[in-house]
Amino acid sequence: RKEVEQDPGPFNVPEGATVAFNCTYSNSASQSFFWYRQDCRKEPKLLMSVYSSGNEDGRFTAQLNRASQYISLLIRDSKLSDSATYLCVVTTGGGADGLTFGKGTHLIIQP
Amino acid sequence: EAQVTQNPRYLITVTGKKLTVTCSQNMNHEYMSWYRQDPGLGLRQIYYSMNVEVTDKGDVPEGYKVSRKEKRNFPLILESPSPNQTSLYFCASSASGRGGEQYFGPGTRLTVT
Repeated sequence: RKEVEQDPGPFNVPEGATVAFNCTYSNSASQSFFWYRQDCRKEPKLLMSVYSSGNEDGRFTAQLNRASQYISLLIRDSKLSDSATYLCVVTTGGGADGLTFGKGTHLIIQP
Repeated sequence: EAQVTQNPRYLITVTGKKLTVTCSQNMNHEYMSWYRQDPGLGLRQIYYSMNVEVTDKGDVPEGYKVSRKEKRNFPLILESPSPNQTSLYFCASSASGRGGEQYFGPGTRLTVT
């Protein structure tokens, strides 16, 4: 049974703070990992892919820990505009499996 | 402009009245899929399509049908809608299949009474 778990939050964080959250996955055969951002009642949009070596894009850093089967997202110097729901997405190769989305972590940046 | 379009954006209907939600992408993507999103349950995949005339069930296919006669279009059909299909629906497409960036349509909010 494929499963992706996220803490739903909400996380209330003051502007300028650093915030991090994780996503765990149960299928050790998972191959690709992503973070998507979804604003209220809007469509999800790709924030960043997660590579084995980790990757950074401005204030955002994503990491993958295959041994413990989780990915993480770190946001530095958080902005009010970072308020959104962050969705973890995992794919498995082969067979009929498609994408599996986590239920999302709701982040609220407060002034 | 590269985009995924869905129509209608909002739909209120009654139980049992067949409906179709259209999805179209102009990026020549081979992979397309449909999701529903419900509070507390997140995004769940209904059906996906790897190419024209190739469709497969996702996690929650019951009560839905799809077709892929052309690469750009992937309509979602509810033959006999029921209230438990009230949800927010998203269509998505990708150039690289399930392992690549998914481009989502703006969503269709369906209410079945």
